[in-house]
Amino acid sequence: QKEVEQNSGPLSVPEGAIASLNCTYSDRGSQSFFWYRQYSGKSPELIMSIYSNGDKEDGRFTAQLNKASQYVSLLIRDSQPSDSATYLCAVVRAGGTSYGKLTFGQGTILTVHP
Amino acid sequence: NAGVTQTPKFQVLKTGQSMTLQCAQDMNHNSMYWYRQDPGMGLRLIYYSASEGTTDKGEVPNGYNVSRLNKREFSLRLESAAPSQTSVYFCASRTSGVYQETQYFGPGTRLLVL
Repeated sequence: QKEVEQNSGPLSVPEGAIASLNCTYSDRGSQSFFWYRQYSGKSPELIMSIYSNGDKEDGRFTAQLNKASQYVSLLIRDSQPSDSATYLCAVVRAGGTSYGKLTFGQGTILTVHP
Repeated sequence: NAGVTQTPKFQVLKTGQSMTLQCAQDMNHNSMYWYRQDPGMGLRLIYYSASEGTTDKGEVPNGYNVSRLNKREFSLRLESAAPSQTSVYFCASRTSGVYQETQYFGPGTRLLVL
């Protein structure tokens, strides 16, 4: 089992729809959870972080964390073509908090079509 | 304020050649990281430096060495390049703070080993 696993994609949604990206992790003691966006040929950019169970909203983005199910998701409302990118889920595992060592999923490619 | 810079942007090596990838940050961050990204694999941590004067292995350290030259600079060296090291290499530095951490990535170095 991979330490951090994302739905394989690619995911295609129409403009204006909700895009739902999912991620599961294997280390139950994981502490911190992040979503990065990566445009083709560019470097990853942090868009959301979440540390406790529940929802966290920032503009059109909502991160959801369920530690009991070891599950973290990212919802993008009113999806725009500019949201087309690879979305990377990243986790700081137990014991890694003080060093910020990230373990990444393989990424999900999202395409928003007009 | 340039953030995280990396040189070179692109490099072609022959098997057995050596090279050093340079990384510098101007954000006064203590922690710095080297990742590699391969298709379908997400990012994998090679080495990290929690603070000036310290370095430690990540998930895939074999074939690499690092030097934390000072607080700003963190270099990655390939002593004898192999085709398996063909990848995109990203350097990152991290803000610290409870529930406020963010890793900022450089633009990447694309390495092809023939």
